[in-house]
Amino acid sequence: GDSVTQMEGPVTLSEEAFLTINCTYTATGYPSLFWYVQYPGEGLQLLLKATKADDKGSNKGFEATYRKETTSFHLEKGSVQVSDSAVYFCALSERNDYKLSFGAGTTVTVRA
Amino acid sequence: DTGVSQNPRHKITKRGQNVTFRCDPISEHNRLYWYRQTLGQGPEFLTYFQNEAQLEKSRLLSDRFSAERPKGSFSTLEIQRTEQGDSAMYLCASSPERGYTFGSGTRLTVV
Repeated sequence: GDSVTQMEGPVTLSEEAFLTINCTYTATGYPSLFWYVQYPGEGLQLLLKATKADDKGSNKGFEATYRKETTSFHLEKGSVQVSDSAVYFCALSERNDYKLSFGAGTTVTVRA
Repeated sequence: DTGVSQNPRHKITKRGQNVTFRCDPISEHNRLYWYRQTLGQGPEFLTYFQNEAQLEKSRLLSDRFSAERPKGSFSTLEIQRTEQGDSAMYLCASSPERGYTFGSGTRLTVV
């Protein structure tokens, strides 16, 4: 079945550091790929998505590129802020906006 | 519209009791989903409604679990004879043709 494997945390960074969270997937077809973020005390929010190979999703300074050859969708941000402290989830869907399969989540803490 | 609303936010119950959670989706969204999230894990799909029709149920949804969405509006998730293993965050999400919006979840603790 479909599955997502993402980098284990927790990750602790200083402000303005470079962030990368690795995500690889296993799927039978050509899934859509997503990154969700969960800030403390809040619900899951869609951060960015890509629906086909070589697509780049971007939002709030975060980027991720759909790499079919390596079945990966790594999340990156060039300069993190304290407000980026959250749990980040990689997810896939075999059909856009149908059920999602999530990774275990990566907790990121950014220190001033 | 303030988004997807879930009630209660927290529920503590004794093992063996029944509990019911409610989800109010965004009003124009015809799809509604339930997920379960345990500590340190990502959410796991439980079930999915298109309007009032329940179209898919995960194997995770044992016969103690039942979900309804009367009239295609709000949804309820009931757990009968709760067990300690049911302790988790229960998340609801809704979507139109594209895009999910999640609620803040109901945290269930079975003691």
